[in-house]
Amino acid sequence: GAVVSQHPSWVICKSGTSVKIECRSLDFQATTMFWYRQFPKQSLMLMATSNEGSKATYEQGVEKDKFLINHASLTLSTLTVTSAHPEDSSFYICSARGQHRETQYFGPGTRLLVL
Amino acid sequence: AQKVTQAQTEISVVEKEDVTLDCVYETRDTTYYLFWYKQPPSGELVFLIRRNSFDEQNEISGRYSWNFQKSTSSFNFTITASQVVDSAVYFCALEHTGGGNKLTFGTGTQLKVEL
Repeated sequence: GAVVSQHPSWVICKSGTSVKIECRSLDFQATTMFWYRQFPKQSLMLMATSNEGSKATYEQGVEKDKFLINHASLTLSTLTVTSAHPEDSSFYICSARGQHRETQYFGPGTRLLVL
Repeated sequence: AQKVTQAQTEISVVEKEDVTLDCVYETRDTTYYLFWYKQPPSGELVFLIRRNSFDEQNEISGRYSWNFQKSTSSFNFTITASQVVDSAVYFCALEHTGGGNKLTFGTGTQLKVEL
């Protein structure tokens, strides 16, 4: 099956710093990438959808200036959490979908802890 | 609006018991897809099945089986002869093709299989 990677898998940072998370599709071209957030013992909530070469579309309630998404190539999307605060601590998961693929493929997730 | 309901928050069974995880969905789309994912403690989502709304045939894969009932908007998942390794959180999800292929996840069911 298709492989999607995320880096880093774990990140601990101080409050006020920015953190960048990478999502890569390793064996297919991802025309669309999705970013999800999952708090402990809760479901996955879609944060935003990004299409290669265009601006991301954010879900209601997600601050686009805080969660910067860049999808500059067909294999890479990045999520930057700017000025992170403890309430941003969460599990961030990306997924990727190719033009001719019928489903999304999920990355392994990134655990962010903001102290 | 799309909605997925997994009424069972947590289920505990003894190994070798059969267990059914319920999923009820709401959508106005005529074409949609239903999914089941497994999320072990590591956090990585494991894809289990994808079902087209026009295909109501039940499916069996080893110890797993799925019952799709369009009339009751349900897509239940049964594990036969459960094993400890089946312990995980299981998510049902709905993809609405008219909504940019976004996935709406249920709240998940924590399955604990004990010896």
